[in-house]
Amino acid sequence: GNSVTQMEGPVTLSEEAFLTINCTYTATGYPSLFWYVQYPGEGLQLLLKATKADDKGSNKGFEATYRKETTSFHLEKGSVQVSDSAVYFCALYSGGGSNYKLTFGKGTLLTVNP
Amino acid sequence: GAGVSQSPSNKVTEKGKDVELRCDPISGHTALYWYRQSLGQGLEFLIYFQGNSAPDKSGLPSDRFSAERTGGSVSTLTIQRTQQEDSAVYLCASSLAPGYEQYFGPGTRLTVT
Repeated sequence: GNSVTQMEGPVTLSEEAFLTINCTYTATGYPSLFWYVQYPGEGLQLLLKATKADDKGSNKGFEATYRKETTSFHLEKGSVQVSDSAVYFCALYSGGGSNYKLTFGKGTLLTVNP
Repeated sequence: GAGVSQSPSNKVTEKGKDVELRCDPISGHTALYWYRQSLGQGLEFLIYFQGNSAPDKSGLPSDRFSAERTGGSVSTLTIQRTQQEDSAVYLCASSLAPGYEQYFGPGTRLTVT
């Protein structure tokens, strides 16, 4: 079955530091890949997505590239801000038949200090 | 426009009681999904609706859990004879159609005492 493994946190960075959160996956077929973010006290929001190999998803300064050869979708940001403090979830959807569910990683808590 | 809404936002119930959780999807979205978020298990898929039918119920953890959707809109997740391990945040999401981007509601935090 499908699975997502992401680096365990928590991750603590200073403002303007470089961020990488690793995510690897196992899936049948050709999955679409997502990063969701959950800010404190709020619901899940889609941060970015990529639907085929070598696609790069980007939003709010965050980027992730769909690497089929390494089955990875690592999240990066060049300069984090305090407001980026949140829990980040990597997820995939492989579709086909009646399988439209998202499979999530366990989440990575990011804390950015001023 | 309005996003996905869920009610109640918090529910505390005694072990053994039944609970109903409600989800109002984004207007026009034909697909609706229920997930559960707990500390031990992370985010787990429960059930998916296309219109009023549920092609995928594979994530429902036991026969105490059931869900329905009426009028292709509102959905209710029912948990019978609640147990302490049912304590979690129950999330609803909707998408324009199956395979499209899923938009999540704020969740219902269920605590079983």
